[in-house]
Amino acid sequence: QSVLTQPPSVSGAPGQRVTISCTGISSNIGSDVHWYQQLPGTVPKLLIYGNYNRPSGVPARFSGSKSGTSASLAITGLQAEDEADYYCQSYDGSLGSYVFGTGTKVTVL
Amino acid sequence: QVQLVQSGGGVVQPGESLRISCAASGFTFSAYGMHWVRQAPGKGLEWLGVIWYDGSDKNYADSVKGRFIISRDNSKKMLYLQMNSLRVEDTAVYYCARDQRGFDPWGQGTLVSVSS
Repeated sequence: QSVLTQPPSVSGAPGQRVTISCTGISSNIGSDVHWYQQLPGTVPKLLIYGNYNRPSGVPARFSGSKSGTSASLAITGLQAEDEADYYCQSYDGSLGSYVFGTGTKVTVL
Repeated sequence: QVQLVQSGGGVVQPGESLRISCAASGFTFSAYGMHWVRQAPGKGLEWLGVIWYDGSDKNYADSVKGRFIISRDNSKKMLYLQMNSLRVEDTAVYYCARDQRGFDPWGQGTLVSVSS
């Protein structure tokens, strides 16, 4: 059972902006939050690291933020190829373990 | 290029053991911690454990503690996951991943199916 809660699904039309929340507590969201994209049938890929940093090659339409006990991933200018599952992840200092969010399926209408 | 290539996996019966491997290339393997993550069919990602860069320490998720063992051979650039006392609920795709301020990159995944 995950300690990071995400909405099961979000959807938007091409070109729209969607956001995915990742809610936890201070012992986990207080650490760096990372985001992964898993396209259908593929391996998860690091999308955002250290709360808001994009690895080389990740389009600028993906952005991360964090405030309090929540983190968010925003996709601005949604594209059909963004249809995937998205997971947040951090380290929980109280549990002494790494944790993933419950995952969010993004659907492009 | 930085790459993790997994091997092993397959179908086993409950209670049996299995070892999967992860071969690293394109980076200084001995400088990085390494993780194992799994994904049950149709489910989300579950972190299983981590091994320090030099193998001096390991940490496991409660769900596999006492049954799974992570090890590494830095001279061979290899990471291993020894899975003992396997259960039906351990059926999943298993991934290795490098600890790099986030998990990056990931191996291609190895399917482990536990069924009687």
